[in-house]
Amino acid sequence: EAGVTQFPSHSVIEKGQTVTLRCDPISGHDNLYWYRRVMGKEIKFLLHFVKESKQDESGMPNNRFLAERTGGTYSTLKVQPAELEDSGVYFCASSQFGAEAFFGQGTRLTVV
Amino acid sequence: QQPVQSPQAVILREGEDAVINCSSSKALYSVHWYRQKHGEAPVFLMILLKGGEQKGHEKISASFNEKKQQSSLYLTASQLSYSGTYFCGTSGSGNTGKLIFGQGTTLQVKP
Repeated sequence: EAGVTQFPSHSVIEKGQTVTLRCDPISGHDNLYWYRRVMGKEIKFLLHFVKESKQDESGMPNNRFLAERTGGTYSTLKVQPAELEDSGVYFCASSQFGAEAFFGQGTRLTVV
Repeated sequence: QQPVQSPQAVILREGEDAVINCSSSKALYSVHWYRQKHGEAPVFLMILLKGGEQKGHEKISASFNEKKQQSSLYLTASQLSYSGTYFCGTSGSGNTGKLIFGQGTTLQVKP
């Protein structure tokens, strides 16, 4: 069974540009989470989807970040326009209800 | 509220034991332990639910003291493959699956 897949694995963009990250969760997992790890610090929660609905987006830094999960399958996280402080590793995780979450390998975003 | 992990870093020789602690100021429903190696996905180790249970996974085990709002991860007879950063993730009573992670404990096992 395929795990959580994230694309791209690395992205380097200039300040002010737009970047879209994609996450394909494990098939059948209704819960999908986005997290971010900045500069070797803790892994911080961004938001949580249940199927296609946003359950909790309390961790989204500001309105430059937009997450979608069309049809309750894959999810995208768009940053527009990107700022220097958005650099970090963005992780996606998925789970079935009440079970452990499985993480993807992450997208390393560098804004220069 | 972010849980606090201690110690921040540990260096061990193969075969030695280590304990990593995770404390929260808020009531906990569950504690999740993950290990991340550099450049890789965090890997799930185990979940502990309230009730003070203890779980084991090969030579890695953990306990959860609901009253004290803390969990401990025990690594016995450490192997080189245990090296990495260990994170505890906590969830509150809502159990939505959303995790609040500690700052991580870096473990390095040397030959």
